Amino acid sequence: KAGVTQTPRYLIKTRGQQVTLSCSPISGHRSVSWYQQTPGQGLQFLFEYFSETQRNKGNFPGRFSGRQFSNSRSEMNVSTLELGDSALYLCASSLEFFTDTQYFGPGTRLTVL
Amino acid sequence: AQSVTQLDSQVPVFEEAPVELRCNYSSSVSVYLFWYVQYPNQGLQLLLKYLSGSTLVKGINGFEAEFNKSQTSFHLRKPSVHISDTAEYFCAVNGLGIQGAQKLVFGQGTRLTINP
Repeated sequence: KAGVTQTPRYLIKTRGQQVTLSCSPISGHRSVSWYQQTPGQGLQFLFEYFSETQRNKGNFPGRFSGRQFSNSRSEMNVSTLELGDSALYLCASSLEFFTDTQYFGPGTRLTVL
Repeated sequence: AQSVTQLDSQVPVFEEAPVELRCNYSSSVSVYLFWYVQYPNQGLQLLLKYLSGSTLVKGINGFEAEFNKSQTSFHLRKPSVHISDTAEYFCAVNGLGIQGAQKLVFGQGTRLTINP
């Protein structure tokens, strides 16, 4: 069974631009969560989608948004990029609940110049 | 608010020696605990989890952890480490999000370095 895939793996953007990251979960998984990983703040939860609905949200500004499609694939968008948005963005999928094993993708490394 | 403290940011160990990575948590809800490992340039992989039942949890790659409610701890152990165990290890606890929905709250991570 294929694992969680994230595209692109690397991105370089400049301040003020916007970016869209994509995540394809494991087949049959309906929950997709997004995390931001930085050296200073560590792993922080962004949001979780289940059956195309945002079920949970972390403490990030409205510039960070996401969505989930009917095939469970998910995208996250960051608008008006800031230098501090440089991070590894990780996507994780699970069957339904957070207590189900979450399978992580390799991440998208975003660099904002 | 739920939180996780990993007491050591870096742990150097010689190959074949035992190791313990320490994790303390605070949570006001029923506790579910997790350990994840992250190898360089990869995502996270679940090592083990405690949801209920036996307080000693066995995971993959020879790791185990013990849930101690009185000490609010969930330390990760391995009796004999290998070079391939070099990685970053994260402890996580369930936290409450909006409308009571639950999410994972991670510790800051412990970098385990195995020396030959």
